[in-house]
Amino acid sequence: GAVVSQHPSRVICKSGTSVKIECRSLDFQATTMFWYRQFPKKSLMLMATSNEGSKATYEQGVEKDKFLINHASLTLSTLTVTSAHPEDSSFYICSARGLSEELFFGEGSRLTVL
Amino acid sequence: AQSVAQPEDQVNVAEGNPLTVKCTYSVSGNPYLFWYVQYPNRGLQFLLKYITGDNLVKGSYGFEAEFNKSQTSFHLKKPSALVSDSALYFCAVRRNSGNTPLVFGKGTRLSVIA
Repeated sequence: GAVVSQHPSRVICKSGTSVKIECRSLDFQATTMFWYRQFPKKSLMLMATSNEGSKATYEQGVEKDKFLINHASLTLSTLTVTSAHPEDSSFYICSARGLSEELFFGEGSRLTVL
Repeated sequence: AQSVAQPEDQVNVAEGNPLTVKCTYSVSGNPYLFWYVQYPNRGLQFLLKYITGDNLVKGSYGFEAEFNKSQTSFHLKKPSALVSDSALYFCAVRRNSGNTPLVFGKGTRLSVIA
């Protein structure tokens, strides 16, 4: 089946630094990828829809200048958390839609901001 | 707007017994419905989907779900639970038109007791 690779799986950074998370579709092309954030014991919150070659569409309440999304190719989308703060600590999950309508998810990236 | 309700935070079942994880949805138009499973600190794994056709959908690991349009439900079921089925289960829905993202329920934690 289709595979989505997410890297890094875990990252610890100091407050004020920026962190980049990569999401790759390994065996299919994804014109659209989705970025979700999951708080402990909570559901997935959609942050933004990433479209190849165009600007991402952010959900209400998500700061686009803080969470920079780039979808430079049909197999790669990146999420950069800029000037990270402890409240940005979370589990970030990307997903990409395959041809059969199902979403394939990356393994997630746990960000801890000290 | 789309929404998903998973009324149970936790479901406990004895190994070998049948299990049901409930899901109801709200969406304009016809829905695409999905079930995903999440193990600790991992991404989501696809279990099954309903797009069209037979209301009873069979998926991975012996799980199945029945689409009930009149009750707007898509309950997940398995005839005989295994301890290894213990995980967090998410129901999700999206409209069957356009490149819309999935909206997730809050998740139900399933514990299968030996």
